[in-house]
Amino acid sequence: EADIYQTPRYLVIGTGKKITLECSQTMGHDKMYWYQQDPGMELHLIHYSYGVNSTEKGDLSSESTVSRIRTEHFPLTLESARPSHTSQYLCASSESAQPNTEAFFGQGTRLTVV
Amino acid sequence: GQNIDQPTEMTATEGAIVQINCTYQTSGFNGLFWYQQHAGEAPTFLSYNVLDGLEEKGRFSSFLSRSKGYSYLLLKELQMKDSASYLCAVYNTDKLIFGTGTRLQVFP
Repeated sequence: EADIYQTPRYLVIGTGKKITLECSQTMGHDKMYWYQQDPGMELHLIHYSYGVNSTEKGDLSSESTVSRIRTEHFPLTLESARPSHTSQYLCASSESAQPNTEAFFGQGTRLTVV
Repeated sequence: GQNIDQPTEMTATEGAIVQINCTYQTSGFNGLFWYQQHAGEAPTFLSYNVLDGLEEKGRFSSFLSRSKGYSYLLLKELQMKDSASYLCAVYNTDKLIFGTGTRLQVFP
């Protein structure tokens, strides 16, 4: 079983609030990802990281930011939440930059901005 | 640009065989993954192909043709619990990019 955790699982928040979605993994994985997924739709890569102090933007433009100060922790922050940010956010990690290693996913955070 | 295309929805009968296709056009290619995702849950890994040919894993098999930019996932002896979305993902140079996903519904 994968050891990757996201908190909170569900979040309802007002417009303009600052929020941080947490993602932690205990597998020592270097590679971490954040995806955004609307219900029944595809996963869009918004951020990824090769390791500590590395952050890259994904293919989907996002108003969120990420940090990677520790290997196990990859939080995603929205400075000012808007209704358009309502979505599910999935965090994933993989062992290394080797392409043949599977990515493990957290259970996701379902965010609703009202 | 990058395109990873799959049929949106498929239906099949319990006990049958179903093939879910995936075509891709990406700037780089270091392998193709298939994931299963039940509604409201996280994706889970099914298979990985990097060389042309068929990889078999129990009831599930995955095929890759790099020259055609094509893969399929074959599910045999379908069970009701196989009703889920099936996601094709390409490892493009340094990141994992997902396709549109195929929602499979299995009927008794």
